[in-house]
Amino acid sequence: GGIITQTPKFLIGQEGQKLTLKCQQNFNHDTMYWYRQDSGKGLRLIYYSITENDLQKGDLSEGYDASREKKSSFSLTVTSAQKNEMAVFLCASSISYEQYFGPGTRLTVL
Amino acid sequence: GDKVKQSPSALSLQEGTNSALRCNFSIAATTVQWFLQNPRGSLMNLFYLVPGTKENGRLKSAFDSKESYSTLHIRDAQLEDSGTYFCAADADTNAYKVIFGKGTHLHVLP
Repeated sequence: GGIITQTPKFLIGQEGQKLTLKCQQNFNHDTMYWYRQDSGKGLRLIYYSITENDLQKGDLSEGYDASREKKSSFSLTVTSAQKNEMAVFLCASSISYEQYFGPGTRLTVL
Repeated sequence: GDKVKQSPSALSLQEGTNSALRCNFSIAATTVQWFLQNPRGSLMNLFYLVPGTKENGRLKSAFDSKESYSTLHIRDAQLEDSGTYFCAADADTNAYKVIFGKGTHLHVLP
């Protein structure tokens, strides 16, 4: 078994601020993902990484940067937080495409 | 239109009854994943399917790639089955990029 941890659990930012979310997994999975979930909606892919130092854009990558510093960790940066933005950011990892999710980071922008 | 369409969008069930959720695809999916997001927001992996069926306890899922749909059957529904069920299918040419449906909100009533 393994676990995915996301930090912080709650993130409150100001408009225009640069914000970083972190994800760690100990499954030893090669691939990691960042998704955004807006209230009552499905998940949309922001970035994914097939292996260490790899980065691939998803459908929602504009306004975000990502970094895969090592196999176990994948960071997401909101480059300029938008006023009144509220969403949950979910990290996942996979082996053979079957995805496992972390608990999420809930973002609120004032 | 939606590439992954889930139905129904919401459902209420009496405890102990059975139901089926459905996912229709307008993409040439080769794999399907089903997830349950509980009321606290955690996403749990239920099934990862290639064409065929899988069963786990009171849950059974089928995926027909030729007819482009998948189903999730819940038998003897329990209160803890409440939450939002998502299906996700791999995008046409990239198995890493899965597309999520908008979910089925299930409420099991005592």
